[in-house]
Amino acid sequence: DVKVTQSSRYLVKRTGEKVFLECVQDMDHENMFWYRQDPGLGLRLIYFSYDVKMKEKGDIPEGYSVSREKKERFSLILESASTNQTSMYLCASGAGTSGRNEQFFGPGTRLTVL
Amino acid sequence: QQQVKQSPQSLIVQKGGIPIINCAYENTAFDYFPWYQQFPGKGPALLIAIRPDVSEKKEGRFTISFNKSAKQFSLHIMDSQPGDSATYFCAASIHSGYSTLTFGKGTMLLVSP
Repeated sequence: DVKVTQSSRYLVKRTGEKVFLECVQDMDHENMFWYRQDPGLGLRLIYFSYDVKMKEKGDIPEGYSVSREKKERFSLILESASTNQTSMYLCASGAGTSGRNEQFFGPGTRLTVL
Repeated sequence: QQQVKQSPQSLIVQKGGIPIINCAYENTAFDYFPWYQQFPGKGPALLIAIRPDVSEKKEGRFTISFNKSAKQFSLHIMDSQPGDSATYFCAASIHSGYSTLTFGKGTMLLVSP
């Protein structure tokens, strides 16, 4: 069964802390994605990666960075967390380069920044 | 900026009703239109998808209708059930290159018993 796992379901951090969100997929997918989900705003793409050590900015990359050292693992980093980064963060993976390929999502990490 | 506009934001129907969720897009280069379904506490999952060379696609009780000239597509759920209560996202992408999905803002559907 296809699986995308995220390191935490719930996370509470303080303003200014460095935050790491980890995502692991077991499907040998080339592509991995980080989204944030906010009520009324839907899913917004933060960063994506189509290969190890490769990264591309999505629609809202400001305040975030990513790391992909291994094919199965994609990390989202908040260098200095701020309250406006309180959100649900979703990781996804997908095969190949075609935009028609299905994306498989993890269960999400609900991050609260105090 | 590429956009996909989704409506309504929320929808309540009675069991057996036919909820309809609509999406409109601007970029004529989009050529793949999936719908994702998200239950509370879960990530979204692919429900059904359509390409612009067909006007309708059915999978079980779920149907996508596609109007290329109007740049609109919609999801219909026949004989809706309380278990269909979820958030639905339409999306669009371009087939070529390292393409990403552009999502609508979502519709929260509640099917009452």
